[in-house]
Amino acid sequence: DAGVTQSPTHLIKTRGQQVTLRCSPKSGHDTVSWYQQALGQGPQFIFQYYEEEERQRGNFPDRFSGHQFPNYSSELNVNALLLGDSALYLCASSPWAELNTEAFFGQGTRLTVV
Amino acid sequence: SQQGEEDPQALSIQEGENATMNCSYKTSINNLQWYRQNSGRGLVHLILIRSNEREKHSGRLRVTLDTSKKSSSLLITASRAADTASYFCATAPSQGGSEKLVFGKGTKLTVNP
Repeated sequence: DAGVTQSPTHLIKTRGQQVTLRCSPKSGHDTVSWYQQALGQGPQFIFQYYEEEERQRGNFPDRFSGHQFPNYSSELNVNALLLGDSALYLCASSPWAELNTEAFFGQGTRLTVV
Repeated sequence: SQQGEEDPQALSIQEGENATMNCSYKTSINNLQWYRQNSGRGLVHLILIRSNEREKHSGRLRVTLDTSKKSSSLLITASRAADTASYFCATAPSQGGSEKLVFGKGTKLTVNP
């Protein structure tokens, strides 16, 4: 079991550009959540996808969008990048039907905006 | 916004000592989870405690939960240098869906050999 995999591991982009991050959930998991972790802070919830729909969204602008594919993998897109978008982006997967269960996290994508 | 607040922000101990970290939160929860993060990498799940549980053990870890005080503690016994990491508590709110996790800012633990 490969667990949650994210790509790429590191990325450098210029202000104003667009970026796409990818996530494959743990085998058997159908729900994917995305988190942003700024340096020295805890992760902040961006949004969650289940059945290819956004189910919940945190306090992030519309520049942040996502998608989930039929195989449960997911993408996070950020448009018009700002310097403040520099962070570690974490993907977590879990089974939708099971409450009170742990979320499994990937190793993250380190995004640097210059 | 972050619901949980860990205390202390940083903790430095010697190998073999016990480490205690505390977490406070603001709203009602379905469960509370503790995660470890090494050097800004991915989060590793340590333990989950449900809102109707008061104490839980896993190996060298002991977690307590006091829902009346909206607080939790994580105890790591007989610490090792490999326990050096940042530790985060995360709550699954009982309102608005329990699917998202709300993290605190974390406690940075250093275990000196």
